Amino acid sequence: GIQVEQSPPDLILQEGANSTLRCNFSDSVNNLQWFHQNPWGQLINLFYIPSGTKQNGRLSATTVATERYSLLYISSSQTTDSGVYFCASYRNDYKLSFGAGTTVTVRA
Amino acid sequence: GAVVSQHPSRVICKSGTSVKIECRSLDFQATTMFWYRQFPKQSLMLMATSNEGSKATYEQGVEKDKFLINHASLTLSTLTVTSAHPEDSSFYICSARGVGEGTVPYGYTFGSGTRLTVV
Repeated sequence: GIQVEQSPPDLILQEGANSTLRCNFSDSVNNLQWFHQNPWGQLINLFYIPSGTKQNGRLSATTVATERYSLLYISSSQTTDSGVYFCASYRNDYKLSFGAGTTVTVRA
Repeated sequence: GAVVSQHPSRVICKSGTSVKIECRSLDFQATTMFWYRQFPKQSLMLMATSNEGSKATYEQGVEKDKFLINHASLTLSTLTVTSAHPEDSSFYICSARGVGEGTVPYGYTFGSGTRLTVV
């Protein structure tokens, strides 16, 4: 399957800080996605971003497919941003291959 | 928007018993359901994929006789952990892809997870 590497593994932020999370993938993909898992385990879709840049509030993501990486930006972080951020992709079978995740802790 | 209701959220069972986890799609039809397990501080590992009305396909290393998956309708999929043992203790998550208003384009809707503890 597709190999997905995420960095950094852990990130501690002071409330209000900005941060960048990175996702590298082993093969060309056209369906890169970002997810957030809150501290209680619920996952939600953040972005479907095969290429280009998207923004949703304080979050934005950029994927450079030709260079096989994607970035997730968190601006003006809030304590509610805490949790684990996963990037994932799939081939034709829709089976997501997840990265190991970046655990983000935002301190008040 | 699309919601997948997963129950129970927590369950403690005795070793040797079976546990059933249900995932129901609300307001959309889940044509495909994925079942994952997640150990503490680790990523999601896909266990199996099921399409409505078809037998589930299991990932390598996952015992299909131990983890029984049923996807009998477009709104309900179940995972039964049979003869559970302490090593089956984990966080189990379902995820659905489907059709219907409110579904996220290219998106996956996740259940809230079930924390299984086998004692």
